Amino acid sequence: NAGVTQTPKFQVLKTGQSMTLQCAQDMNHNSMYWYRQDPGMGLRLIYYSASEGTTDKGEVPNGYNVSRLNKREFSLRLESAAPSQTSVYFCASSEVVGELFFGEGSRLTVL
Amino acid sequence: KQEVTQIPAALSVPEGENLVLNCSFTDSAIYNLQWFRQDPGKGLTSLLLIQSSQREQTSGRLNASLDKSSGRSTLYIAASQPGDSATYLCAASPSGTYKYIFGTGTRLKVLA
Repeated sequence: NAGVTQTPKFQVLKTGQSMTLQCAQDMNHNSMYWYRQDPGMGLRLIYYSASEGTTDKGEVPNGYNVSRLNKREFSLRLESAAPSQTSVYFCASSEVVGELFFGEGSRLTVL
Repeated sequence: KQEVTQIPAALSVPEGENLVLNCSFTDSAIYNLQWFRQDPGKGLTSLLLIQSSQREQTSGRLNASLDKSSGRSTLYIAASQPGDSATYLCAASPSGTYKYIFGTGTRLKVLA
């Protein structure tokens, strides 16, 4: 079982470049989430989608956009990357406020 | 605003010891609380989920309790093993939201 799959696993960008992180889940979950993890900061919620067709801001949405493409897929876009966005990004999914399942993470470095 | 705190940030124990990890949250109005394990460079693995109507959950050597009135959850690990070495995170879901708020984790090292 694949669970939650994130691509790419590693990426290096220059300041100002754009990119999209992809996430797909095969558990038929309604809710999907994007978190970032930084040393000493824990996981902080960027955006979430409670159900297909809806998206909402989390704690740290500035500089990001999301798209809930369908029930399976939830993408995170950086329009103009900044060094402050160097982080590990995690996608997660759950039934509505149920058990949360995570992908393996995408490690992004912005130079 | 819900805040989740985990103390201590790091803990070293000898193999075989029973230990307790703590998680505190500021708002008792939570829907559920979840404990995770994270190995270095890896994603988070769900350990236990406690719904608001429950007081505890058990899985093998792990037992998690929830006391909403005091804003606390504990993760009890019995007979610790070197393979238990990892970072343990808790996350609370505030009532009326679809979100999970995470603590910063406790880094556990079990010494052989």
